[in-house]
Amino acid sequence: NAGVTQTPKFRVLKTGQSMTLLCAQDMNHEYMYWYRQDPGMGLRLIHYSVGEGTTAKGEVPDGYNVSRLKKQNFLLGLESAAPSQTSVYFCASGLTSGGDINEQFFGPGTRLTVL
Amino acid sequence: GQNIDQPTEMTATEGAIVQINCTYQTSGFNGLFWYQQHAGEAPTFLSYNVLDGLEEKGRFSSFLSRSKGYSYLLLKELQMKDSASYLCAVMDSNYQLIWGAGTKLIIKP
Repeated sequence: NAGVTQTPKFRVLKTGQSMTLLCAQDMNHEYMYWYRQDPGMGLRLIHYSVGEGTTAKGEVPDGYNVSRLKKQNFLLGLESAAPSQTSVYFCASGLTSGGDINEQFFGPGTRLTVL
Repeated sequence: GQNIDQPTEMTATEGAIVQINCTYQTSGFNGLFWYQQHAGEAPTFLSYNVLDGLEEKGRFSSFLSRSKGYSYLLLKELQMKDSASYLCAVMDSNYQLIWGAGTKLIIKP
């Protein structure tokens, strides 16, 4: 099992450019999450999904969009990147269809710099 | 509002014991998690408490008191590789994790 994978691992954008971060999991998890992590701050939830075809806003959704067309994939889009979006982005997944609470499994992260 | 508090940084000596505290106020409670995060890496799961009491797992133990909104992570026989950030997170009623800012643990020889 690969667990949770993310692409790309690093990216540099110019202000106004767009990009999509890809996340995939092979653990049959229902829930998937996108977080950002900034120095001195806890992980902040951007958007999440409780199942295929569903998405919901988290704590800091502005400037981002997401899609969950397939259960195993969760995409995070930046339509017009801004320097404030410079951060490390983590994808995570958790909770099987049985509803048992388990830990969230994290991808390796994407380090994004917006100039 | 929802809030997770933990110390910003702690220093301990190799071979010693350290306790990292976490206090929380959240809307609903579906358990408390501790994660370890080495610099430049993703968080990895350490422990999960949903009932009051102590959960022991090797050198690491985690304690929970729901009535006090309090948890601690206890690390014994510290090793240099334990130098990392330790993240406390509470799962709220919507099955979302609310995260603390993390405690950076520095281990000195």
